[in-house]
Amino acid sequence: ETGVTQTPRHLVMGMTNKKSLKCEQHLGHNAMYWYKQSAKKPLELMFVYNFKEQTENNSVPSRFSPECPNSSHLFLHLHTLQPEDSALYLCASSQDKDRGTEAFFGQGTRLTVV
Amino acid sequence: AQSVAQPEDQVNVAEGNPLTVKCTYSVSGNPYLFWYVQYPNRGLQFLLKYITGDNLVKGSYGFEAEFNKSQTSFHLKKPSALVSDSALYFCAVREGARDSNYQLIWGAGTKLIIKP
Repeated sequence: ETGVTQTPRHLVMGMTNKKSLKCEQHLGHNAMYWYKQSAKKPLELMFVYNFKEQTENNSVPSRFSPECPNSSHLFLHLHTLQPEDSALYLCASSQDKDRGTEAFFGQGTRLTVV
Repeated sequence: AQSVAQPEDQVNVAEGNPLTVKCTYSVSGNPYLFWYVQYPNRGLQFLLKYITGDNLVKGSYGFEAEFNKSQTSFHLKKPSALVSDSALYFCAVREGARDSNYQLIWGAGTKLIIKP
């Protein structure tokens, strides 16, 4: 295990539902990330938090809303999603945003929007 | 613009043979280069990175990668493949300059299949 835990592992939700993805890291890292992984496409960086402050929002639609209450926890709140939002959502953390620092990933949440 | 290319969607290798997974990149400054592996139904795991120094970098599970500045490549290699190496491999690059965008740019991934 990498020290980054994501729940739930699988989620099926309707387009009118509201749900949240949770990520927790036990590594003492200061930076946390949300990525979207779709089949045969590069990973898409969604949000970056550094010391609990959001530093990047890569033009993500407002139906995705991140929350970082402390440096160990990261949430992704979902509402009124579209079927094309179905994907694997990965959380990651790193010691900081330093360019040479590698990231540690959770196992992901497989999201299906119906 | 920064970019990463993994030219092969899939690589097939017989167990015991050497393997190579290719990666080329484009950045305007010095690159920081990474390889990650993803096993089925799992998140990505860090394998190795090149920041500076020796062009040959050794990583986890017997993998290594060679940084070639003139060819802007960072190919992943292993002398003898194992069936358990079968997975999805991602190359990523980040520009190392102080004032540049620090975000990782990812390749689309290469599926490695090792046949017994």
